[in-house]
Amino acid sequence: GQSLEQPSEVTAVEGAIVQINCTYQTSGFYGLSWYQQHDGGAPTFLSYNGLDGLEETGRFSSFLSRSDSYGYLLLQELQMKDSASYFCAVMDSNYQLIWGAGTKLIIKP
Amino acid sequence: GAVVSQHPSWVICKSGTSVKIECRSLDFQATTMFWYRQFPKQSLMLMATSNEGSKATYEQGVEKDKFLINHASLTLSTLTVTSAHPEDSSFYICSASKGVGGYEQYFGPGTRLTVT
Repeated sequence: GQSLEQPSEVTAVEGAIVQINCTYQTSGFYGLSWYQQHDGGAPTFLSYNGLDGLEETGRFSSFLSRSDSYGYLLLQELQMKDSASYFCAVMDSNYQLIWGAGTKLIIKP
Repeated sequence: GAVVSQHPSWVICKSGTSVKIECRSLDFQATTMFWYRQFPKQSLMLMATSNEGSKATYEQGVEKDKFLINHASLTLSTLTVTSAHPEDSSFYICSASKGVGGYEQYFGPGTRLTVT
C-alpha cells in the first residue's frame, strides 16, 4: 500500500525553529511537496523537492532524502501566523499526489 | 501568478437536489484539475482527476454518477453533486496544475456544502 507518515501535532514557541518530518512508502516517486492549510482555508503550495537536498524559500526550507524515503519541512523564526496544518504529499508513478494526514502546528507566544 | 477561483464558497441545499460547483483558473491554463473533499481535521481526499476534453478519472469508492465532473475548457471544471444527501456535506476543494504532473497544485478557496 501507499502511505505517508507525519506527526499529527507539533507545538513550538514563537521565534523558534520547528521541523516537521515526513516518511513515505509509495509506488514510484517523483517528488515530495509541502502544503500549508489554515483552518477553514484551502491548501497553499510551499515547496517541492524532486532531488535530494535542501530547498530554501525564505523562512521555510524543505529537505529530501530519497534513499531514506524521508523528508522534512523546516520553519524558522516562527510567527503566530504560521499556526496551521502542514501536509506532505508524494507524486507517485501515476503523477498523482498522495497526501499525508497533516501536522497541526501550534505556536505559543 | 496562479490563481484559482471556486464558486460558490458555501451552499446550503435540501436533500435530493443537485449542486454545481465551478472551478476556474484565472491567469493560467490548467492542463489538469483535481477535485478533493475534506472532512474536519482530516486530510484531503482526492475524488477525481480531470483533463480538458476527456472524461474524469475517479478514485476508487467515488460514485461517478453522483459526482459529475466536466472539464469543458483549460480554465474551467465543474463538479455537480447529484441527489445530495446529508452525508455529502463536506468541504470540496478544487485544484489546478499547469503541467501534466501535479506536484505543484494551485487550490481554489473551497466550497462548504451543507445538505439539510
